Amino acid sequence: EAGVAQSPRYKIIEKRQSVAFWCNPISGHATLYWYQQILGQGPKLLIQFQNNGVVDDSQLPKDRFSAERLKGVDSTLKIQPAKLEDSAVYLCASSLKRGGLAIYNEQFFGPGTRLTVL
Amino acid sequence: KQEVTQIPAALSVPEGENLVLNCSFTDSAIYNLQWFRQDPGKGLTSLLLIQSSQREQTSGRLNASLDKSSGRSTLYIAASQPGDSATYLCASVAGAQKLVFGQGTRLTINP
Repeated sequence: EAGVAQSPRYKIIEKRQSVAFWCNPISGHATLYWYQQILGQGPKLLIQFQNNGVVDDSQLPKDRFSAERLKGVDSTLKIQPAKLEDSAVYLCASSLKRGGLAIYNEQFFGPGTRLTVL
Repeated sequence: KQEVTQIPAALSVPEGENLVLNCSFTDSAIYNLQWFRQDPGKGLTSLLLIQSSQREQTSGRLNASLDKSSGRSTLYIAASQPGDSATYLCASVAGAQKLVFGQGTRLTINP
C-alpha cells in the first residue's frame, strides 16, 4: 500500500514570495491533515479536511495561508506572502473515517516539505 | 486545552539496554494516544496507537502503556539497538478532537 505522498520535498524562497505544497493521501482515507513543525517542536495542526470539507482550521493563519481539497483526494497548502517565521517542515497526514469518528483513527504521515524562507 | 509533555528532551543509552520514554498529558479525557518515530529530515512513522479503553499495545520490542487517571503514557523499548536512534513523539486526541503533540525525546543508542 502506497503511503502519503508530498511534493516538493524542499523549497527555498525569499520572504514575501508565494509557495504551494501538494499532498496525496493514502487511497481510501477520507480525512486529511496539514501540520506545521518548527525545528525542535512537535507538529501543530493547521487544517483538517473530511472529504473536501474543512473540519478544523482554527490554527491556520488565514491572512496568508490557504488550503483546499477540491475532489476529496489531493490537497494543496499555499502561503502568500511568506514570512521568515514560516520556515518549518509542513507535514501532510491522512486517516480512515470509521463510523463517523475520525478522532479514533490512526494518522499516517508523509515525508514532509521543508520550507526555508530567506 | 490539552498539553502534552515529554521529559527528557534527549536521552543517550548504551546498546542492549531496556529503556522507557515518558509522556504526560493534562486532559485525562483522551480518545487515544499515539507514539511516533521521526528520523532526521523525515516524516513521522506511527509506532503504536492506544485507544482510551485500552491499557497497552505491543509491537515487537516496543510496548506502550496508558494510564489516563495519572495522565501518563510510557514507551518501553527492549534490547535497544543503534537503529532505534531517532526522535520519539507522543500525541493525544482529547476534547478539541485534534492530535496534540509533545516536543519529543531525542534518543541516541551508542554501539
